[in-house]
Amino acid sequence: GQQVMQIPQYQHVQEGEDFTTYCNSSTTLSNIQWYKQRPGGHPVFLIQLVKSGEVKKQKRLTFQFGEAKKNSSLHITATQTTDVGTYFCAGRTQGGSEKLVFGKGTKLTVNP
Amino acid sequence: DAGITQSPRHKVTETGTPVTLRCHQTENHRYMYWYRQDPGHGLRLIHYSYGVKDTDKGEVSDGYSVSRSKTEDFLLTLESATSSQTSVYFCASREQAIANYGYTFGSGTRLTVV
Repeated sequence: GQQVMQIPQYQHVQEGEDFTTYCNSSTTLSNIQWYKQRPGGHPVFLIQLVKSGEVKKQKRLTFQFGEAKKNSSLHITATQTTDVGTYFCAGRTQGGSEKLVFGKGTKLTVNP
Repeated sequence: DAGITQSPRHKVTETGTPVTLRCHQTENHRYMYWYRQDPGHGLRLIHYSYGVKDTDKGEVSDGYSVSRSKTEDFLLTLESATSSQTSVYFCASREQAIANYGYTFGSGTRLTVV
């Protein structure tokens, strides 16, 4: 079945450093979503990417969808302590599947 | 996110007992989902629903059943709880609108099977 691999599993940074998490799918995706889960909280939807090569920005967060629609990345510029949490990518296969497959997430810790 | 609530928030149950978790949404979302979250496994889909009385299996559906008799309620039942079902369970829902497929998650139910 479809698999979504996410790396790294953990990332510890100093406040002000940049952070990137990568997501790779075994199959071509129709779209990919990104979620953030704060410690002890629930996943919160950040963004959806649909088009090949798409790039979207939300303040210090930059999201990219690969040309082949099999990979994606989330880059945070100048991390802050409020960025702490686990970031998940989630992909939906082409063909209208209702099943969204989540990566295992990247847990980000930020040292002030 | 206040539009989707899960109950109970915490539960401890004994092996072999049936357990029902409830998800209630006030957003009139057509689609609803049950996920479990375990360390090292991320979020795994148990069952989902695409309308009243319309449900389908996810990747880890063994030992679980669901029911959706009303748009707003999606119940997850562990027919005979086992220790391997100790987990955090999240319910989610989404709009049908093409422009927004993001899921809204509930706050989760932490279930411990002893």
